[in-house]
Amino acid sequence: AQSVTQPDIHITVSEGASLELRCNYSYGATPYLFWYVQSPGQGLQLLLKYFSGDTLVQGIKGFEAEFKRSQSSFNLRKPSVHWSDAAEYFCAVGAMDSSYKLIFGSGTRLLVRP
Amino acid sequence: GAGVSQSPRYKVAKRGQDVALRCDPISGHVSLFWYQQALGQGPEFLTYFQNEAQLDKSGLPSDRFFAERPEGSVSTLKIQRTQQEDSAVYLCASRNREYNEQFFGPGTRLTVL
Repeated sequence: AQSVTQPDIHITVSEGASLELRCNYSYGATPYLFWYVQSPGQGLQLLLKYFSGDTLVQGIKGFEAEFKRSQSSFNLRKPSVHWSDAAEYFCAVGAMDSSYKLIFGSGTRLLVRP
Repeated sequence: GAGVSQSPRYKVAKRGQDVALRCDPISGHVSLFWYQQALGQGPEFLTYFQNEAQLDKSGLPSDRFFAERPEGSVSTLKIQRTQQEDSAVYLCASRNREYNEQFFGPGTRLTVL
């Protein structure tokens, strides 16, 4: 069965520092991969997605992610974190069935030090 | 433009009560999903509609959970005889075609006392 692992429950970075959030998935073929952000009391907002093609994907708010098939990873990065980036981040894979429902990881909570 | 809306935003129920949660998807979106998000966890799939047809309900945790989308637009998730373990945020999402993103609503936070 498909699954997503986000090994870091919490990450704290200083404002202006770089960020990398880890995501590993289990699936044999080329998956559809997503990163969503959830702020308190808000719904999930899509940051970026990967379906095929260039393995480095650019998203909104200055985020990017790199698909590495050999490592089954899709890590999220940002070169300089802003205080407003503090939120919960979810990695997800699209199920390879007729629904393409999303299978989410357990999330990483990002805290930003001023 | 209007996004996905859900109502109510918060619902408190006594154990054993029935509840109904509403989702208004983005106009024209064919696909609609319900997810359950327990505290500190990622969302988990409950059920999927394509237009009015419920094509996948494999994630519904028990027969107390029922969802419908009778006219292929608004959807209702109903939970009968609520239990404390049903306390969670229920998220609705809609999508316009298969290979595209799901747009999420703000969710309904259900607390069962």
